Amino acid sequence: DTEVTQTPKHLVMGMTNKKSLKCEQHMGHRAMYWYKQKAKKPPELMFVYSYEKLSINESVPSRFSPECPNSSLLNLHLHALQPEDSALYLCASSQVRGNTGELFFGEGSRLTVL
Amino acid sequence: KNQVEQSPQSLIILEGKNCTLQCNYTVSPFSNLRWYKQDTGRGPVSLTIMTFSENTKSNGRYTATLDADTKQSSLHITASQLSDSASYICVVSDGGSYIPTFGRGTSLIVHP
Repeated sequence: DTEVTQTPKHLVMGMTNKKSLKCEQHMGHRAMYWYKQKAKKPPELMFVYSYEKLSINESVPSRFSPECPNSSLLNLHLHALQPEDSALYLCASSQVRGNTGELFFGEGSRLTVL
Repeated sequence: KNQVEQSPQSLIILEGKNCTLQCNYTVSPFSNLRWYKQDTGRGPVSLTIMTFSENTKSNGRYTATLDADTKQSSLHITASQLSDSASYICVVSDGGSYIPTFGRGTSLIVHP
């Protein structure tokens, strides 16, 4: 079982809706990530938080807004999305430095934008 | 620019057979290489992690090899099972950051 928990597992939303994806980990990891994955493609990095501060934004459109309220939680707020934003959104966590750098992934949230 | 290339792109084998997946990388400085298994619509799950000094690492029927000189890795699956059908992703980290480079994955289908 994964130690990174994502909710909801499935989300269907219209282009005018506001919704949020949530991620939680209790491994004491201080780096947390959002990835976007389209079918038959590798995950694409969106955001990285290190010690609860946004350290990397891979030129993601502003309709995606990340938030890291504490060291265990990571949110992704969604607003005015487009149908092409439909994808599997993966949260991951890792130790920041000084180890193998292994990413622990959640099961993902499948997003469909109508 | 760091790159990870995987081959083949897809592979179909019969249940019980063995197979080998390849990963070539140009990541510098090298820190570690990981193989992940990803079932369709699920998150990737780590199979093996290898650092510079490790040549071989096994996890059940999965055996990964690493040749740091040629910058190549392989994942060998023994006695394949239907549940092995998945995408296998090679992920390489450099020593300068904790942001890894993903390969495009090999899609494996095991037929009965």
